[in-house]
Amino acid sequence: QKEVEQNSGPLSVPEGAIASLNCTYSDRGSQSFFWYRQYSGKSPELIMSIYSNGDKEDGRFTAQLNKASQYVSLLIRDSQPSDSATYLCAVNPVSGANNLFFGTGTRLTVIP
Amino acid sequence: GAGVSQTPSNKVTEKGKYVELRCDPISGHTALYWYRQSLGQGPEFLIYFQGTGAADDSGLPNDRFFAVRPEGSVSTLKIQRTERGDSAVYLCASSLTGTGARSGANVLTFGAGSRLTVL
Repeated sequence: QKEVEQNSGPLSVPEGAIASLNCTYSDRGSQSFFWYRQYSGKSPELIMSIYSNGDKEDGRFTAQLNKASQYVSLLIRDSQPSDSATYLCAVNPVSGANNLFFGTGTRLTVIP
Repeated sequence: GAGVSQTPSNKVTEKGKYVELRCDPISGHTALYWYRQSLGQGPEFLIYFQGTGAADDSGLPNDRFFAVRPEGSVSTLKIQRTERGDSAVYLCASSLTGTGARSGANVLTFGAGSRLTVL
């Protein structure tokens, strides 16, 4: 079992819709969770970080964390064509450990 | 510097050759990471430095791979006797502290990567 699992997609949504990206992780002791966006041919850039159960909102982005279910998600409201990219879920597996495991990423396409 | 700088951006080499990839992290960042990303995959952890020392090198695939950070700033990833399977984008990232800290200080900022092609 991989440390971090994501549906590779592709996920296609129409412009203005909500895009929902999901991620599960295997280490129940994981403490820090991140969503990175990666445009084709570019390096990953941080979108959101979340450390506690519940929702965290930043503009059109909402990260949701459920540690009991070992599940973290990213919602993108009012999706724009510029949101088309691969979204990487990353998890710090154990508190104090200095490592970050990435999922394979979900490719999102927002159709104008 | 203002961001994480990696050189070269592209490197084409022949099987069996030696390669060095350089990373210059954000000034003041004590933590430095090397990742490898193959097409269609997420970044794969290779090694983590805290200051000058390699705090975690568990991701290095074999003894052909080695990395140093002698002065706690610039790091060099060294690959000996390259193989075609080493072809990938090698990403360097830095953070103010290690990822264990539950704060913004643990956020990784990535460089643009070095694309290695082994023929």
